Amino acid sequence: DAGVIQSPRHEVTEMGQEVTLRCKPISGHDYLFWYRQTMMRGLELLIYFNNNVPIDDSGMPEDRFSAKMPNASFSTLKIQPSEPRDSAVYFCASSSRQPPVFGPGTRLTVL
Amino acid sequence: KQEVTQIPAALSVPEGENLVLNCSFTDSAIYNLQWFRQDPGKGLTSLLLIQSSQREQTSGRLNASLDKSSGRSTLYIAASQPGDSATYLCAVSKNSGYALNFGKGTSLLVTP
Repeated sequence: DAGVIQSPRHEVTEMGQEVTLRCKPISGHDYLFWYRQTMMRGLELLIYFNNNVPIDDSGMPEDRFSAKMPNASFSTLKIQPSEPRDSAVYFCASSSRQPPVFGPGTRLTVL
Repeated sequence: KQEVTQIPAALSVPEGENLVLNCSFTDSAIYNLQWFRQDPGKGLTSLLLIQSSQREQTSGRLNASLDKSSGRSTLYIAASQPGDSATYLCAVSKNSGYALNFGKGTSLLVTP
């Protein structure tokens, strides 16, 4: 298995632009998680899905953030409009009632 | 809200030393606790998982303990090596869905 796949690996954008991060979970996993990592706040859970349904989005910082999981093999995290304080590494992870497997992350820089 | 704290934030030791990393959590109603390793610019690698009913887990030179009632866990690294240099993260889950609350990590440097 290729593991959890995230794209892009690096994204540099300007303030106000829309940013879309993508994740392909491990086949057969029914949980998908989006985390954000910053120096100040560490790793924070943003949202997670079970069987493509959002279960807890209480970690999503603002309405500018949205996440979707249209099918079992794909999820997106969208930021619109982006702001410099959104600069962070965004991790996707998936699991099936086992410890989650993390993707390599997307490093987002908003100028 | 569950708060996870890791002490120390950074640690530097000479090669060969045994060391202990500490993790505490405020809500003892956890499902399990995990220790991860993160190398600079990389993702997370799971090291040890302790279920709430367990007291400790071992893997090679690593030993993790859990005292759920007091809200504490320790990661013991024996005979440290330069290759152990990384950030070590503690995380707790409150249910079988494995949504994790992370500490901010301990940055470990092992010098030759």
